[in-house]
Amino acid sequence: DTGVSQDPRHKITKRGQNVTFRCDPISEHNRLYWYRQTLGQGPEFLTYFQNEAQLEKSRLLSDRFSAERPKGSFSTLEIQRTEQGDSAMYLCASSFSERDNEQFFGPGTRLTVL
Amino acid sequence: RKEVEQDPGPFNVPEGATVAFNCTYSNSASQSFFWYRQDCRKEPKLLMSVYSSGNEDGRFTAQLNRASQYISLLIRDSKLSDSATYLCVVPDVLDSNYQLIWGAGTKLIIKP
Repeated sequence: DTGVSQDPRHKITKRGQNVTFRCDPISEHNRLYWYRQTLGQGPEFLTYFQNEAQLEKSRLLSDRFSAERPKGSFSTLEIQRTEQGDSAMYLCASSFSERDNEQFFGPGTRLTVL
Repeated sequence: RKEVEQDPGPFNVPEGATVAFNCTYSNSASQSFFWYRQDCRKEPKLLMSVYSSGNEDGRFTAQLNRASQYISLLIRDSKLSDSATYLCVVPDVLDSNYQLIWGAGTKLIIKP
C-alpha cells in the first residue's frame, strides 16, 4: 500500500492524558499537513510541513498541540493534557510541491477523550 | 464570517437525476478551487480541480463564477454510489498558498 497511513486508527483516552499520533505520507511527497475534523464540518487546518520544516501553524491551535517531522518523512502530532473538546478525527495529508493543492489523505485517527 | 460556505443539505435525489450545488467564497484573490468527496467515516478524496472557468470529467462538471464568487458542481445521471458529502476547498492566498479553507460540505443522498 503506497498511500498515506496513520496510526493508531482509534484512540480513547482520559481527560488530562497526553496522546501522540503518527502519519506516514506517500514517500515522494515533500509536503505534509495535519487537519482536525468534527462531525458535520469540513477539515480544519492545524499545521503544515515542507520536508522537515514546519511552515504554517493555525492561529487557532492551542499550545497543547505540537507536531514534528524530524527527518522529513513521517510526522507525529502530540496533544498534551487532552480535553473533551479535543475529541475529533485527526487527518494527515501529503502532496507534491509542484501540485501543492492536490492533497492525498490518510484514513485518520479518531480520538475520543473521556 | 465564513470564508467558504456550502448548503449542508442533505440533497435527496432520485437515481438518474441531475443535481447541482454551489459553494460561495469570500477571498476574491483565489485562483484555484477544488471539490473533494468524502464518504461516511472515510477520508476526503479529490474529485475535481478548477483553475479557470470550469472543468468537466464524465458526469461531473465544475463551473466557476468569479464575478459572483461561487463555484458549482453538477452531477448528471446520478448513481447510488454518488451518495457522499461534497466538500468545497479554496486556498487561503492572503497568508500563504498552502492553507486550504474547507467548506463544511454538502451531503448528497441518491435514492433508488
